[in-house]
Amino acid sequence: GQQLNQSPQSMFIQEGEDVSMNCTSSSIFNTWLWYKQDPGEGPVLLIALYKAGELTSNGRLTAQFGITRKDSFLNISASIPSDVGIYFCAGPINNAGNMLTFGGGTRLMVKP
Amino acid sequence: SAVISQKPSRDICQRGTSLTIQCQVDSQVTMMFWYRQQPGQSLTLIATANQGSEATYESGFVIDKFPISRPNLTFSTLTVSNMSPEDSSIYLCSVAQAQETQYFGPGTRLLVL
Repeated sequence: GQQLNQSPQSMFIQEGEDVSMNCTSSSIFNTWLWYKQDPGEGPVLLIALYKAGELTSNGRLTAQFGITRKDSFLNISASIPSDVGIYFCAGPINNAGNMLTFGGGTRLMVKP
Repeated sequence: SAVISQKPSRDICQRGTSLTIQCQVDSQVTMMFWYRQQPGQSLTLIATANQGSEATYESGFVIDKFPISRPNLTFSTLTVSNMSPEDSSIYLCSVAQAQETQYFGPGTRLLVL
């Protein structure tokens, strides 16, 4: 099946630092999604990307849909303690675009 | 986005027993899915819950172990049958409208002793 390779697996950073994580695939995706999972919660959608080359921001978060359609990155600027959590990339595995495969996740820890 | 609730939020169960997890959505949705998230791992799709028909299971998951019901467009249940410690995971339901992205419930944390 289609697999998403996400890196890094974990990051431990100082508050205020910028963060970058990425996701790659051997297959083309038509949609890239980024979710965040807080401890004890279900994943929450952060950003959805639908077009190759698209760059989308959501507050301090910026994500890009790679031009080859095989990769995406998520940046977080000026990190704060509430950014702690696990970030997952995801992409659809069916034509309707609503069945997802997930990357392995990036666990972010922020030191105040 | 839809508001999704799951019951129970967590449980501790003895091996050999079964647990049924409920997922309720505040509006009618086209698609409902069940995922498993093993400790420290990513999400793995168990099955698509089809309204009025049998669920569609992904490779490695079978109906005898994970029976699923979906009696209407706002409700689904997942049963984890004959549990073993390896079934200790977070079980998540998610919903989507056709051609739209998925939204997740808060999850059910299951520990099997």
